[in-house]
Amino acid sequence: QKEVEQNSGPLSVPEGAIASLNCTYSDRGSQSFFWYRQYSGKSPELIMFIYSNGDKEDGRFTAQLNKASQYVSLLIRDSQPSDSATYLCAVIDSSASKIIFGSGTRLSIRP
Amino acid sequence: EADIYQTPRYLVIGTGKKITLECSQTMGHDKMYWYQQDPGMELHLIHYSYGVNSTEKGDLSSESTVSRIRTEHFPLTLESARPSHTSQYLCASSDPSGTGRSPLHFGNGTRLTVT
Repeated sequence: QKEVEQNSGPLSVPEGAIASLNCTYSDRGSQSFFWYRQYSGKSPELIMFIYSNGDKEDGRFTAQLNKASQYVSLLIRDSQPSDSATYLCAVIDSSASKIIFGSGTRLSIRP
Repeated sequence: EADIYQTPRYLVIGTGKKITLECSQTMGHDKMYWYQQDPGMELHLIHYSYGVNSTEKGDLSSESTVSRIRTEHFPLTLESARPSHTSQYLCASSDPSGTGRSPLHFGNGTRLTVT
């Protein structure tokens, strides 16, 4: 079992709809959770972070964390074609010594 | 805004050449990382450093080596480049003072092609 798991996709969502990206992690004591966006040929860019259970909103993005179920999700409202990218989930483990990336979910927003 | 710089941005080089990929950051971060990523594939950690004179191998075996003589500088060297080294190399840094909450900040990457 991978330490951080994501559905590789591609996830196809119509423009204007809500895109929902999910990530599960195996280390129950994990502390910090991040979402990165990576356009093709570019480096990952941090778009959201969350540390506590619940929701955190930033513009069109909402991160949701459920530590009991060991999952973190990213919702993108009013999806735009520019949101088409690979989204990487990253987790800092319980020892706080390592950041672990999922393999990413490819998101495609269709006009 | 993170300030981490990688040079060159693109490099095409012949087999057998020695190359050094440069990575510098101006944030005073102690932790620095090198990742390798093929197109459409996941990130693989190949080296990391927690400070000056500290270097460790990552999860993916790599024929490259790294050094950390100064906090701001973390170069990666391939003694003899091979076509199998063709990939994108991403450097990143993080601030350990965030007690487990600090994200990684990435440079723009170096796309290496070995012919």
